[in-house]
Amino acid sequence: KAGVTQTPRYLIKTRGQQVTLSCSPISGHRSVSWYQQTPGQGLQFLFEYFSETQRNKGNFPGRFSGRQFSNSRSEMNVSTLELGDSALYLCASSLEQGETDTQYFGPGTRLTVL
Amino acid sequence: AQSVTQLGSHVSVSEGALVLLRCNYSSSVPPYLFWYVQYPNQGLQLLLKYTSAATLVKGINGFEAEFKKSETSFHLTKPSAHMSDAAEYFCAVTRDTGRRALTFGSGTRLQVQP
Repeated sequence: KAGVTQTPRYLIKTRGQQVTLSCSPISGHRSVSWYQQTPGQGLQFLFEYFSETQRNKGNFPGRFSGRQFSNSRSEMNVSTLELGDSALYLCASSLEQGETDTQYFGPGTRLTVL
Repeated sequence: AQSVTQLGSHVSVSEGALVLLRCNYSSSVPPYLFWYVQYPNQGLQLLLKYTSAATLVKGINGFEAEFKKSETSFHLTKPSAHMSDAAEYFCAVTRDTGRRALTFGSGTRLQVQP
């Protein structure tokens, strides 16, 4: 089975722009979660989608949004980019089998905001 | 709110020596605990998880962890370090904030000296 794929792998944007990142989960996985990883704040949960609905949300401003499509693929969008949004954005997918589902992570998208 | 604390941001061991990476958790309910590993420029890979079935959990690559409620700890160990174990290790907890909203520790970078 193919793993979680994320595109693009690297992205450079300037302040004020917006960006869309894409995540394709493992086939059959219906839950997709997004995390932000920075040297200063570490790994932080952004949000989780299941069946095209946001089920959980972390403590991030409204500039961060996401969506999930009927095929479970997910996108996250960041509007009005700030320098502090530079980070590795990780997507994880899991089966809907219970609270202890393993989350399988993709390689991430490295976003640099100039 | 739940949280995890990883003691030691950097740990250095000799090849063949015992690896011990420390993780203490704080949770108001019995937690689910995880250890993930991250190699450079890659996403996170699950090493093992505790889901209350057994206090000693065996994972991949020879790693194991023991859940100790009295000490609120979930330390990761490996009897004999290998050069390929050099990576960053993250302890994570979930339960309170949502089933797939992992709360990560700050990470421990493991160096293995020849």
